[in-house]
Amino acid sequence: TAGITQAPTSQILAAGRSMTLRCTQDMRHNAMYWYRQDLGLGLRLIHYSNTAGTTGKGEVPDGYSVSRANTDDFPLTLASAVPSQTSVYFCASSDSWDSGTGANVLTFGAGSRLTVL
Amino acid sequence: GQNIDQPTEMTATEGAIVQINCTYQTSGFNGLFWYQQHAGEAPTFLSYNVLDGLEEKGRFSSFLSRSKGYSYLLLKELQMKDSASYLCAPIDSNYQLIWGAGTKLIIKP
Repeated sequence: TAGITQAPTSQILAAGRSMTLRCTQDMRHNAMYWYRQDLGLGLRLIHYSNTAGTTGKGEVPDGYSVSRANTDDFPLTLASAVPSQTSVYFCASSDSWDSGTGANVLTFGAGSRLTVL
Repeated sequence: GQNIDQPTEMTATEGAIVQINCTYQTSGFNGLFWYQQHAGEAPTFLSYNVLDGLEEKGRFSSFLSRSKGYSYLLLKELQMKDSASYLCAPIDSNYQLIWGAGTKLIIKP
């Protein structure tokens, strides 16, 4: 089934350790995104990439880095995890226009639940 | 600043109709999305409005008034599987989605 694969599904991490959340899509979408979702808050954009080879900062980029070496992969790295990075992380992708809606519809991965202790 | 307001939680009865409201303030406007998110799962696309008026898609309809900064999602003939959170997300002038915290809808038999 086409879509977005995220790994790991969940992880417990000691503070100060590094961690990479993996995201792979097979829809050949140009744009990819990383969001975090915390209780009582809306999804917040961490980083995005409009096309392979380019990345940009979202609303909450501090403590995170991304790379986009090719169209399919968009890993998110926490260089030195802190407890405030405990969250559910969603990777998403979109194409320029959806032929059905005329909108830039996002497709989400299943999420990665990260706990930093 | 940019702001999205949705009720935190709503309860409705199976078979009934429910309307979930969303008011927004954004820098610029390029449309508005509604997504559904079941507990522990990813958000999935429900609807998109860019012009004023009602968009109907089966049991779900979405309404937009750009002048009032207001949208609603209307769910008819409620089913137990409609128990989920519903996320309102207008698109700002930079074509970024601004997400509300979501409305948790509880369906009772």
